[in-house]
Amino acid sequence: AQSVTQPDIHITVSEGASLELRCNYSYGATPYLFWYVQSPGQGLQLLLKYFSGDTLVQGIKGFEAEFKRSQSSFNLRKPSVHWSDAAEYFCAVVENSGNTPLVFGKGTRLSVIA
Amino acid sequence: EPEVTQTPSHQVTQMGQEVILRCVPISNHLYFYWYRQILGQKVEFLVSFYNNEISEKSEIFDDQFSVERPDGSNFTLKIRSTKLEDSAMYFCASSDSVSPQHFGDGTRLSIL
Repeated sequence: AQSVTQPDIHITVSEGASLELRCNYSYGATPYLFWYVQSPGQGLQLLLKYFSGDTLVQGIKGFEAEFKRSQSSFNLRKPSVHWSDAAEYFCAVVENSGNTPLVFGKGTRLSVIA
Repeated sequence: EPEVTQTPSHQVTQMGQEVILRCVPISNHLYFYWYRQILGQKVEFLVSFYNNEISEKSEIFDDQFSVERPDGSNFTLKIRSTKLEDSAMYFCASSDSVSPQHFGDGTRLSIL
């Protein structure tokens, strides 16, 4: 069965500092990978996705993620964090982009300090 | 940009009562989903729906739950007799055959 691990429950970074949120997945083939962000009281907003091709994908709000097959990882990065980035971040995997259910990680809560 | 809309944003219900959560998926999407997120936990899949029938459901989606697409725009989740442990955030999502799933803002269900 597919699984997604986000090893960091909570991360605190200073505004302007770089950020990397870790995500590892367990799946036999190459899955489709996603990062979603959830601000307090809000729904899940898609940040970026990886289906195939270039392993470095760019998303919204200045985020990027790199798919590394050898490490079964899909880490999310941002070179300079803004206070508005404080939120919960979820990595998710799906077998294909159609009607297969998403499997989510437990999430990483990002706090940003001045 | 088209979006998935969910109503109500917050529902408070007495234990044992029936509740219906409503969703309007993106208009040209054909696949619909319900997920839930218990406070402090991860988002869990409940059910997917395509071509007017359930495609897949999780162990959570027991006989107390049902889904329906009563017309061309709405997609509903019904819980027949709510329990305390049904308290959660419920998310609706939709997709077409190639797009990622787009989520609504969720309905917070509180069972008293």
